[in-house]
Amino acid sequence: AQSVSQHNHHVILSEAASLELGCNYSYGGTVNLFWYVQYPGQHLQLLLKYFSGDPLVKGIKGFEAEFIKSKFSFNLRKPSVQWSDTAEYFCAAYNAGNMLTFGGGTRLMVKP
Amino acid sequence: NAGVTQTPKFQVLKTGQSMTLQCAQDMNHEYMSWYRQDPGMGLRLIHYSVGAGITDQGEVPNGYNVSRSTTEDFPLRLLSAAPSQTSVYFCASSYYGGEAFFGQGTRLTVV
Repeated sequence: AQSVSQHNHHVILSEAASLELGCNYSYGGTVNLFWYVQYPGQHLQLLLKYFSGDPLVKGIKGFEAEFIKSKFSFNLRKPSVQWSDTAEYFCAAYNAGNMLTFGGGTRLMVKP
Repeated sequence: NAGVTQTPKFQVLKTGQSMTLQCAQDMNHEYMSWYRQDPGMGLRLIHYSVGAGITDQGEVPNGYNVSRSTTEDFPLRLLSAAPSQTSVYFCASSYYGGEAFFGQGTRLTVV
């Protein structure tokens, strides 16, 4: 069965620090990859997605992610975080014949 | 365009009671799914549907039933609520392999 792993459960950063959140998936075939963000008390919203093509994907709010097929990874990055980025971040993978599988989430706290 | 509408937003049940969480989407998506979100466990798939009349089990289906009589609606039924079903439930819809759109969530407490 497909699985998605997020290495960091909690991350605390100061404003302007750089962010990298790890994500690995287990499926070896064609896979669509997503990062979602959940602000406190809200539902999940899409940050970015990768289906094919350029492995460096840019999303909303200055986020980007890099797909590295050989490492089964899809790490999320942001050069300079803001207090408003405080949220929980979920990596997700979708492969043919299966539904969207989520990682366990990473809670990010940005200190002003 | 309402997207995914999920009701109710909050619900308290007594152990053994049954209830239905409603989910409707107006984007003509083939896929609809139900997830539960628990602290530290991410979102776990309960049931999903690839089209009207077709449903399948996800990772944690026990204690839940679904049906998909129309493309738009995908209700989730709790047959006999248990405290272990206290959670936040999200309905989602998508095209095949595409971005999932989520409802606002239902916070369910079973006492």
